[in-house]
Order: sequence, then C-alpha cells, then structure tokens
Amino acid sequence: SAVISQKPSRDICQRGTSLTIQCQVDSQVTMMFWYRQQPGQSLTLIATANQGSEATYESGFVIDKFPISRPNLTFSTLTVSNMSPEDSSIYLCSVPGTGKNYGYTFGSGTRLTVV
Amino acid sequence: QKEVEQNSGPLSVPEGAIASLNCTYSDRGSQSFFWYRQYSGKSPELIMSIYSNGDKEDGRFTAQLNKASQYVSLLIRDSQPSDSATYLCAARDQGGKLIFGQGTELSVKP
Repeated sequence: SAVISQKPSRDICQRGTSLTIQCQVDSQVTMMFWYRQQPGQSLTLIATANQGSEATYESGFVIDKFPISRPNLTFSTLTVSNMSPEDSSIYLCSVPGTGKNYGYTFGSGTRLTVV
Repeated sequence: QKEVEQNSGPLSVPEGAIASLNCTYSDRGSQSFFWYRQYSGKSPELIMSIYSNGDKEDGRFTAQLNKASQYVSLLIRDSQPSDSATYLCAARDQGGKLIFGQGTELSVKP
C-alpha cells in the first residue's frame, strides 16, 4: 500500500488566517481524498482531488473555503481559508489501494486548532 | 444521501471475549466494505476489507457481509486490551469514495 507523508502534523492558528496542508504520496495515484474529523466525530469527506482538473467538493464544502491543488499524481494540498474556531479539526488525506478489495491509506493527519 | 450507520457505543467486553461490531449501509451500489481501527489521536488503520457475501477471516478478526440485508459486521475473537479503540465501518461507493459510519468505541477490560 502507498505511504503518505502529511504536513504539518499540528498547528495553532489565529482566526481569519489560512493554513495549507500538504500530502506527498510515494507512488502515483489518480485520486486523492481530503477528510475532516471534528472532535469526537467520524470522518467526513471534504473533496476529491483530481490531477489535471478541479477538485470535486461534497455537499457543505466550497472551493473558496477549502481550495485544493493537485499539481501532479503524487502531491496535493488543502488550504483551510479564513479560519474560525469551528474549523478546529483533524484533516486527513487518503489514497485508494489497488483493486476493489484494497482499502484506503491515510496520512497521519493534521490537528488544527483555531484560536 | 448515502449513509453508513453504526452503534456509537461504547461497547465494553472483558478480555478474552468476542467483540461484535455492526454496520448497515444505505447505498445498494456499494461494492466494497472496510473496517478501520482508530486509536485516540491517530489516523485510521485498515484492519479488514470484504466485498463478497459471507465471512472473511484474518487472524482474530472476521468480517461478515450480507448484501441483501445491507449489513456488515466485524467479530474480534480473544479480545485484548490493545484492541480498545474506535472502529470505523466504511463503504466504497461507485464513484470510489469512502463513506464512513460514526464509529463504535470498543473498550476491552482486563
């Protein structure tokens, strides 16, 4: 399975600022996914990052708030813009395994606290 | 709205017992299902995947799938305190996205 390096692992940010999270994969993957995990909650899909095209956002998430870049098949960034305390969460990137019986691998996560 | 439902727990079992975790899903187009274990402060770790009806065993873990009932379960035999974690059920939809349940917190008491 793929190995993902996710940075930063944690950050404390002031409200109104932005934070960019990076994920680097050790192999080429067509799709990368960005999830949010709010405190005590499960994972909610934010968007699918596609190389060469705009990201596909899930209901409730918009590009202005969570712009995503996917410059190549091994790298993606998620920016959390104009942050408020409600954005305090863990953000995770994920890539699918090969074959339908292979699960998805997750990055180590970015724990974001907005003050 | 595609949904995956789990009992949030907490589920408490004594050490050595069988822990049974259950999950239902709404999207009949889902083909593959996954169980992830998540320790506090860590990212999810894949422990089982299943896409055919029936049982799939891997060590102490058995996943069960019933597509007619849209039901997935995970059995953990000989539960250990190190199994204490949150277990997330996920279904992959036809677009390749993973939809997660809310997770079941398992506590194994020594």
